Amino acid sequence: KAGVTQTPRYLIKTRGQQVTLSCSPISGHRSVSWYQQTPGQGLQFLFEYFSETQRNKGNFPGRFSGRQFSNSRSEMNVSTLELGDSALYLCASSLAPGAYNEQFFGPGTRLTVL
Amino acid sequence: QKEVEQDPGPLSVPEGAIVSLNCTYSNSAFQYFMWYRQYSRKGPELLMYTYSSGNKEDGRFTAQVDKSSKYISLFIRDSQPSDSATYLCAMSAGNQGGKLIFGQGTELSVKP
Repeated sequence: KAGVTQTPRYLIKTRGQQVTLSCSPISGHRSVSWYQQTPGQGLQFLFEYFSETQRNKGNFPGRFSGRQFSNSRSEMNVSTLELGDSALYLCASSLAPGAYNEQFFGPGTRLTVL
Repeated sequence: QKEVEQDPGPLSVPEGAIVSLNCTYSNSAFQYFMWYRQYSRKGPELLMYTYSSGNKEDGRFTAQVDKSSKYISLFIRDSQPSDSATYLCAMSAGNQGGKLIFGQGTELSVKP
């Protein structure tokens, strides 16, 4: 069974640009969550999607947005990039929303903002 | 103060040692507790998943949850060099969907 896949794996952008990251969940999983990982702040929750609806949102500015498609694939977008947005962005999938469903992470997309 | 505190280490042990990793938390609503292992430049891999208080064992790994003390532990027996990684604890209250709150992670090195 294939795991969570994320594309691209690496990305370099400059300040002010925008970026779109993609996540394909494990087959049969319908819930997708996004996390940002930095050395200083660790892993922080961005948002969670289920049935194409955002179910939960972390404490990030509105420049961070996401969406989910009918096939459960998800994208996240960061507009007007800042240097502080440099991070590993991780996607996790689970069968359904709720902490009682185990979440499985992808390898992440490493974003560098210059 | 962070909701979840975890000693970042680094922690270095000889091969075969018993490793103890710990997290403390402040939110008494947390009910679901997880341990993830993350190798360098990889995504976190789920190791252990526990609901409420108690112990859970899986091979060389044992997870313990003490909700009265707001303290969770992961024990690794007969540690191997391949266990060298960062170990992250994660928790959820259950009333915020799948939102997980992570500790900072403990970097573990097992020396042959």
